[in-house]
Amino acid sequence: AIQMTQSPSSLSASVGDRVTITCRASQDIRNDLGWYQQKPGKAPKLLIYAASSLPGGVPSRFSGSRSGTDFTLTISSLQPEDFATYYCLQDYNFPFTFGPGTKVDLK
Amino acid sequence: QVQLVESGGGVVQPGRSLRLSCAASGFTPGSHAMHWVRQAPGKGLEWVAVISDDGSDKYYADSVKGRFTISSDSSKNTLLLQMNSLRAEDTAVYYCARDRALHDYDAIDHWGQGTLVSVSS
Repeated sequence: AIQMTQSPSSLSASVGDRVTITCRASQDIRNDLGWYQQKPGKAPKLLIYAASSLPGGVPSRFSGSRSGTDFTLTISSLQPEDFATYYCLQDYNFPFTFGPGTKVDLK
Repeated sequence: QVQLVESGGGVVQPGRSLRLSCAASGFTPGSHAMHWVRQAPGKGLEWVAVISDDGSDKYYADSVKGRFTISSDSSKNTLLLQMNSLRAEDTAVYYCARDRALHDYDAIDHWGQGTLVSVSS
């Protein structure tokens, strides 16, 4: 199975900060990676698919990029509603695998 | 709009069985692959299983292979997860989720609210 590592595991930031989260795949997964946001007690929400595409309704402050097997989620200006845990998910092959998550909290 | 509503969770003893259901609405039955994803208390997300749009292909996480069976009734737009030989480590919130792609596999774009399964003696 493809292993996904994610860094950092947690970070503290302020409203307005630029935040970057990275996922690394254990092998080439092309652009087959999504990013998800989860708030406590809630289901995850899709933020980015195909490494860099935004679904409708997702604010443009969220962006994704890829360099080889490294994938990055960037929040350009952190908003109060963005404090949450973020996960990556490779959908290149089965079994799909999630990264361990990055918790973003208030500094 | 797309709605996914899980049911069937509860407390069950180790070694016993449980069946989860997910009622889907707001999209054409049989048009999207469907997934189960779980989350143990205080832990991260774990992908569990997927069934293709036509029900012909099924894939499982190694942790549940041979014990869990995913199935669907496209006429009722219902997704099922039969869980046998349950273990304490299967305790989690189980989410029903829809694949984004039409007749393919891609990201997961819609999620249910989850149903809690607790395996305990």
